Amino acid sequence: DSGVTQTPKHLITATGQRVTLRCSPRSGDLSVYWYQQSLDQGLQFLIQYYNGEERAKGNILERFSAQQFPDLHSELNLSSLELGDSALYFCASSIGQINSPLHFGNGTRLTVT
Amino acid sequence: QQQVKQSPQSLIVQKGGISIINCAYENTAFDYFPWYQQFPGKGPALLIAIRPDVSEKKEGRFTISFNKSAKQFSLHIMDSQPGDSATYFCAASRYGNKLVFGAGTILRVKS
Repeated sequence: DSGVTQTPKHLITATGQRVTLRCSPRSGDLSVYWYQQSLDQGLQFLIQYYNGEERAKGNILERFSAQQFPDLHSELNLSSLELGDSALYFCASSIGQINSPLHFGNGTRLTVT
Repeated sequence: QQQVKQSPQSLIVQKGGISIINCAYENTAFDYFPWYQQFPGKGPALLIAIRPDVSEKKEGRFTISFNKSAKQFSLHIMDSQPGDSATYFCAASRYGNKLVFGAGTILRVKS
């Protein structure tokens, strides 16, 4: 068990809808990362937060947004969903220091119908 | 320049054999090279990582070999076991942030 908790485990929704994925990092970790895993794109970095502030951005669509709250949990909001957004979304956390290891949660599987 | 190329896509090894997975990168600014193991229904889990100032790192049955001049690194799993059957990802980053992952290798160890 990595200590990173993601909810929900599964999510099925329709095109055009909006969903929120939640992540609780490991105790003591200040940095949260979001990754998308799909068959055709593999594991893609979306965004990183450190202690509430956005630290780095990757291939995140404008329809997607995230935030990290004062208690360090994070939410990834996906809106105007399209069929192609169906994927596994992983949250990872680290203590936030240089080259500190990332610990991944078990992901949220999003299915857009 | 951000890409990490991983091969093979899949690998079948006999129990007790050596599994070898290779990765190549382009961005010379990368300074952190981890390997992750992922089982079905689980998130990737860090196996072992290396920095470019060493050519090899060993942890138990897992060894990373690193060739800075060739911009390549590889994972060797010695005495492969059925329990090692999983998907393996190499990755690279600068300072450990924004990990760029390879496409993954599905390893099956036959008993």
